[in-house]
Amino acid sequence: GAGVSQTPSNKVTEKGKYVELRCDPISGHTALYWYRQSLGQGPEFLIYFQGTGAADDSGLPNDRFFAVRPEGSVSTLKIQRTERGDSAVYLCASSLNSGTTGYTFGSGTRLTVV
Amino acid sequence: GENVEQHPSTLSVQEGDSAVIKCTYSDSASNYFPWYKQELGKRPQLIIDIRSNVGEKKDQRIAVTLNKTAKHFSLHITETQPEDSAVYFCAVTSGTYKYIFGTGTRLKVLA
Repeated sequence: GAGVSQTPSNKVTEKGKYVELRCDPISGHTALYWYRQSLGQGPEFLIYFQGTGAADDSGLPNDRFFAVRPEGSVSTLKIQRTERGDSAVYLCASSLNSGTTGYTFGSGTRLTVV
Repeated sequence: GENVEQHPSTLSVQEGDSAVIKCTYSDSASNYFPWYKQELGKRPQLIIDIRSNVGEKKDQRIAVTLNKTAKHFSLHITETQPEDSAVYFCAVTSGTYKYIFGTGTRLKVLA
């Protein structure tokens, strides 16, 4: 596609529920990244994919968070047993490969846990 | 790990004046320094970047300067316009993918 697409744009869920956030990167981009942005803060790294594999998941806060990219294109960030502290904007970005810099962000999913 | 500090947190300037935002970093191996602009409710957008082998880069009204010795880099916006109002984030990377972002500067350009 022309840009990085994220769905849904907004998600409200109850504490304890499971959510999935989807990212569709720019066509042909092999590198994909997930960041989390809390109110008034800069984005914080969560996970990086090169192709289908998670090359670095060191930013995932705990084992309730998991992400997949089974075919090397679309990625899904999964959060189990959501907590109010998970509320944030989840940003996805992609780049042609990990050797290129200045990647392109999607518009994000605003997750609110009530 | 890398630590990035960004100042000021808020900045108000009169239209037509210049704005300067500064970031300092801790890892001397850092080699790429992008700046992102984020308007309210929108995605961060890359506006300019600089690599460690360059001291200055300019793109129309926007410039970035890098001082590797002192480990700081700055964003300069000249002839500011109301549409420059946004939150600006600096970022640093020493690898090729993982960015460490600053905490942001809210720039308000007063008409």
